[in-house]
Amino acid sequence: EVQLLESGGGFIQPGGSLRLSCAASGFTFSSYAMSWVRQAPGKGLEWVSAISGSGGSTNYADSVKGRFTISRDNSKNTLYLQMNSLRAEDTAVYYCAKVRGSVTTSYWYFDLWGRGTLVTVSS
Amino acid sequence: QSVLTQPPSMSGAPGQRVTISCTGSSSNIGSGYDVHWYQHLPGTAPKLLIFGNSNRPSGVPDRFSGSKSGTSASLAISGLQAEDEADYYCQSYDSSLSGSVFGGGTKLTVL
Repeated sequence: EVQLLESGGGFIQPGGSLRLSCAASGFTFSSYAMSWVRQAPGKGLEWVSAISGSGGSTNYADSVKGRFTISRDNSKNTLYLQMNSLRAEDTAVYYCAKVRGSVTTSYWYFDLWGRGTLVTVSS
Repeated sequence: QSVLTQPPSMSGAPGQRVTISCTGSSSNIGSGYDVHWYQHLPGTAPKLLIFGNSNRPSGVPDRFSGSKSGTSASLAISGLQAEDEADYYCQSYDSSLSGSVFGGGTKLTVL
């Protein structure tokens, strides 16, 4: 079955760090770029970061640049998001999404999503 | 404030047609970048509805259609059904931000 399963969310204090994982199955993981998208409580979707199939190209939203790092392990079919210096405004459900198109161009969209993992940043 | 603007809510009776708008600017939709649409029921994984402005993935009913003109795009849903009650989001690329952007989302209620 084609699916994405996120894990690693939880409750963390401001300034702390957390690493999210996304396990992919049912497709050739290394052939596709991947992305993280988040949704804060009561808000809409916000693109966070993306990585090419090889892992050689990455990009980030300005809101997380310098604090978050996206990576992948194609041997384990797993996508990661290392989140450092967390802020209250990072509180959200984080979705892993499979990308169609190339993240090094302007044409890409998300054709498969996971159900998300909740990250709560609070003191 | 989202880069792409959508109406926060819309409603329609079963069988009716509704059109959800997505308005951008010269740095995104107006630059010719494609628009994609998603359906999201709270607590579930978002679902791709339309890609490349007007293309439906396999399995998406032809009741859903998309279009784009100038700095705006639209998602039309005809023959509304109770199961269409969900949040709908548009997405495109923004050259000023060098990344993907979403609309604020539209909550569709089927009366």
